[in-house]
Amino acid sequence: GAVVSQHPSRVICKSGTSVKIECRSLDFQATTMFWYRQFPKQSLMLMATSNEGSKATYEQGVEKDKFLINHASLTLSTLTVTSAHPEDSSFYICRAISGNTQYFGPGTRLTVL
Amino acid sequence: ILNVEQSPQSLHVQEGDSTNFTCSFPSSNFYALHWYRWETAKSPEALFVMTLNGDEKKKGRISATLNTKEGYSYLYIKGSQPEDSATYLCAFKGGGADGLTFGKGTHLIIQP
Repeated sequence: GAVVSQHPSRVICKSGTSVKIECRSLDFQATTMFWYRQFPKQSLMLMATSNEGSKATYEQGVEKDKFLINHASLTLSTLTVTSAHPEDSSFYICRAISGNTQYFGPGTRLTVL
Repeated sequence: ILNVEQSPQSLHVQEGDSTNFTCSFPSSNFYALHWYRWETAKSPEALFVMTLNGDEKKKGRISATLNTKEGYSYLYIKGSQPEDSATYLCAFKGGGADGLTFGKGTHLIIQP
C-alpha cells in the first residue's frame, strides 16, 4: 500500500540553527500535502497547506518566513524550521492527499536545545 | 511498523440514520487511542482519548468504545446530520512512543 515517509524521524538541534524535514510519498503522487504540529498533550494543529508547484498557504499565527515549505514535486514536500528556538520543539507530521485518499507520515520529533 | 487500520475507508449514510466504524490497532504495548474528527484543510478536532480497556466515551451524538485486549475501537454516530460529514481518524499511541500512528481515516458523507 501507499506509504508516506518522513525524514528525519527525530532531530535534536541547537537554538538558532535551521532544520529541514522531508515528507515523501513513496508510491503515489500527492497533489496536496499538509503540515501539522502537535505539542505535548494537545491535538494536531494545521500549519500550512501546500500544492505542488505553488506557494504554501499558511494558517493564521504560523510565520511563513520561519516555517518554509517547499512542494517542488508530486512526491516531496519539505518543511524548514529556520532559526529554531526551544518553543519550536514539537512533533511535526505531514499528510499527503491523492484523490480521495489521504496518508499520514510517521512524524518528526524536533527538540531544540 | 505499527498497523492501524480503519474500516470502511468511506461511508455514505442517510441523514437521520445511525452508523459506526472501526479502528484496529496493535493489542500489545497499548498506551492510548485517539479519535479525531477531521475536515480537510482544517486542524483535526479531538473527539476522544481512550486509555482503559472497556472504556466508553460519549460526546453529544458521538460515542466510542475501546477493547485493548483484542485491539479495536468503534466510533458510533447516532442520528447522523449533514454536519457530521468529515473524515474520522483514529491514532494509536504505544507505551514509550513519542508520537501517534494514524489510521487512514473513514471518510463519512451524510446524504440529506
